[in-house]
This record gives sequence, C-alpha cells and structure tokens, in this order.
Amino acid sequence: KAGVTQTPRYLIKTRGQQVTLSCSPISGHRSVSWYQQTPGQGLQFLFEYFSETQRNKGNFPGRFSGRQFSNSRSEMNVSTLELGDSALYLCASSLAGESYEQYFGPGTRLTVT
Amino acid sequence: QKEVEQDPGPLSVPEGAIVSLNCTYSNSAFQYFMWYRQYSRKGPELLMYTYSSGNKEDGRFTAQVDKSSKYISLFIRDSQPSDSATYLCAITNYGGSQGNLIFGKGTKLSVKP
Repeated sequence: KAGVTQTPRYLIKTRGQQVTLSCSPISGHRSVSWYQQTPGQGLQFLFEYFSETQRNKGNFPGRFSGRQFSNSRSEMNVSTLELGDSALYLCASSLAGESYEQYFGPGTRLTVT
Repeated sequence: QKEVEQDPGPLSVPEGAIVSLNCTYSNSAFQYFMWYRQYSRKGPELLMYTYSSGNKEDGRFTAQVDKSSKYISLFIRDSQPSDSATYLCAITNYGGSQGNLIFGKGTKLSVKP
C-alpha cells in the first residue's frame, strides 16, 4: 500500500506571496492532519480534516488554511508569506481520525526569502 | 511549563548498547503515548503507541509509560548504526475525533559502529 505523498517536496517563495501544498493520504484513510516543523518550535499541529470538514485547529494565524476533497486528498494554503513560515510542512493520515495512529508523509520544505 | 519535555541530546552510543530515551508530560489527561523516528530529510515514522501504564515491546524496541510520574520511555536494545535518527515522543488526550498530537522536541541519537 502506498504511503502518504506530498507535493511539491521543495518550494522557495518570496515574502508576501502565497503557497499551496498538497497531500494524498494512504488509500482508505479519511483523516488528514497538517503539522509545521521548525528547529526552534519542533512539530506543531496546524489542523485536521475528516470527511471534508475541519475538526480540529491548532494555534496558528488565519493566514494558514486548508481544505479536504471528497477523495480525502488535502491542500493547505499559506497567504502573505512571512520569513518565519520557512519550515517543513508535514501531512499525516489516519484511518478514521485516530490521533494515536497517524502516518506521516515526507513533507514539503518551504523556504521564504 | 511545556506540555511535553524531551532532552534534545545529542546522544551518542556505541553499536550494541542499550539506549534509553525519555519524555515527561504535564497533563494527566493524556491517554495515548507514541514514539516516532525521523531520519534526516524524512517524515516521522510511527514506531509504536501505548495506551496504559506499563511496557509494550516490539522487537528491539520497548515503550514504557508511568502515568503516576507522567514519564514515558523508549528503550532500544542491541542498537545499530541504522537506528541513528531523531526520536520524537508524542502524546494525545483523545483517540478518535478530538485529538491532535503534541510532540516533544526530539532526541538526536547517533549509534557509532
């Protein structure tokens, strides 16, 4: 069974631009969560989607948003990029939202200049 | 006080050594305890999760939870150079629909041949 896939793997953007990242969960998984990983803050939860609905949200500004499609694929968007948004963005999927059994993708490395 | 505390290391051991990795957490409501392994430039890989106090073994890996002390541990027996990675503990206060993972900052382990 294929794992979680994320595209693109690397991205360089300029401050003020916006970016969209994509995540395809493991086949059959209906829950997708997004995390931001930085050296200073570690892994931090952004939001979780289940059956196209956002069920849970972390403590990030409204510039961070996401959505989930009927095939469970998910996208996250960051508008008005700031230098501090440079990070590894990770997507994780689980079968039906079991937070204790999430499987991560390889991540998208975003660099904001 | 942070919800999860983990010594960042780095930790360097000779091949074959027993490795002990530890985390403490602050909120007794947390019910599930996970260990992830993350190789450089990869996403975190779920090693194991536990629900209750006690030990859970999987091959060379043993996870231990002491809820009374709010202390979780991962032991690696007969460590191998391929175990060199960053190990992240994670906790969640719910299974099912209401949880998100809260991570420690990770401990970087190096196993020398």
